[in-house]
Amino acid sequence: AQTVTQSQPEMSVQEAETVTLSCTYDTSESDYYLFWYKQPPSRQMILVIRQEAYKQQNATENRFSVNFQKAAKSFSLKISDSQLGDAAMYFCAYRGTRGTYKYIFGTGTRLKVLA
Amino acid sequence: DAGVIQSPRHEVTEMGQEVTLRCKPISGHDYLFWYRQTMMRGLELLIYFNNNVPIDDSGMPEDRFSAKMPNASFSTLKIQPSEPRDSAVYFCASSLVGNTEAFFGQGTRLTVV
Repeated sequence: AQTVTQSQPEMSVQEAETVTLSCTYDTSESDYYLFWYKQPPSRQMILVIRQEAYKQQNATENRFSVNFQKAAKSFSLKISDSQLGDAAMYFCAYRGTRGTYKYIFGTGTRLKVLA
Repeated sequence: DAGVIQSPRHEVTEMGQEVTLRCKPISGHDYLFWYRQTMMRGLELLIYFNNNVPIDDSGMPEDRFSAKMPNASFSTLKIQPSEPRDSAVYFCASSLVGNTEAFFGQGTRLTVV
């Protein structure tokens, strides 16, 4: 069975600095998708970035980028130039591609942004 | 499209009562998921449907929980009887197999007293 692990329950970053959130996963599949979702206090789940496992190039969305290490089964999220609005819970998620399309989430990392 | 719509946003009920949570997925989406979020366990998948058929209900905690999807535009999650440990935020999400993103509703915060 696939699992997703986020080992950092809480992280803090100074405004305008860079922070990296960690995520590891376990799977026997070779093709899959990985995601980072943001959950602000409003409770809404918002997709931040996604990565296809067959793509070697790391995904980037403006200030958000990932470091995808397939062999190590690691998928970290880097937030550059942190802003107060980045404060939220961040969830890492996995979805397979062969027969099972469920999304498996980690337990989340709460990010605090300090002014 | 208005996105995934869940109702109610908040529900407070007494232990032993029946609770029904509702979800309207995004039109055209063929997958629907029910998740439960708690501080201790994060986001747990309870059950998911494909084309209205339950595919995996292994996350349903016990027989007190049941879920249905009578048509492509509506799903319910029922808890009967409810217990205080069922207090959590329940999310519904939908997706299209060709589009990898799962779209979430606003969630229902359930409090069982």
